[in-house]
Amino acid sequence: GDSVTQMEGPVTLSEEAFLTINCTYTATGYPSLFWYVQYPGEGLQLLLKATKADDKGSNKGFEATYRKETTSFHLEKGSVQVSDSAVYFCALSDNQGGKLIFGQGTELSVKP
Amino acid sequence: GAVVSQHPSRVICKSGTSVKIECRSLDFQATTMFWYRQFPKQSLMLMATSNEGSKATYEQGVEKDKFLINHASLTLSTLTVTSAHPEDSSFYICSARGFSGVADTQYFGPGTRLTVL
Repeated sequence: GDSVTQMEGPVTLSEEAFLTINCTYTATGYPSLFWYVQYPGEGLQLLLKATKADDKGSNKGFEATYRKETTSFHLEKGSVQVSDSAVYFCALSDNQGGKLIFGQGTELSVKP
Repeated sequence: GAVVSQHPSRVICKSGTSVKIECRSLDFQATTMFWYRQFPKQSLMLMATSNEGSKATYEQGVEKDKFLINHASLTLSTLTVTSAHPEDSSFYICSARGFSGVADTQYFGPGTRLTVL
């Protein structure tokens, strides 16, 4: 079945460092891809999405490009802030019924 | 943006009791809502898909008699954990499927922390 694999955390960075969180997927069809963020004590928020190959999702300085050839959707940010500390989840939807399949989550900690 | 609420945010109950968790879409109608369970430092596991006016569809391994789901209106779905036991302690999260512009998007509630003593 469909699945999502993320790099393991926790990831600890200094403020203004470059961030990459790897995400790869396995799917039989043409899924939509998502990054969600969960701040401490809060629910999940959609960070960005891409619905087809070569689409780039972007929001709040974060970017991810849907790469069909490498089945990847890596999350990047050029300069992280302490306020970016959270758990990041990569997810896919098979676009039939709206079910989301999540990766295991990657905890990011940004130090001043 | 779209808002989904959950109530209660935290609940502590004794073993053997039943607990009801509500999920509401506050500013949009959601024909489909989803219930997830999240263990500490782990990912979200889909428990069931709830469609308004019909029976919920449960994922493999989820006991439908244990986790009762009702989706009585376009803005409300409830999850009842029946005869709760300590192993049911977890973080339960709902989401509601809506449209952001023309895009189909899921909006998540803030979650409910259930502790069974």
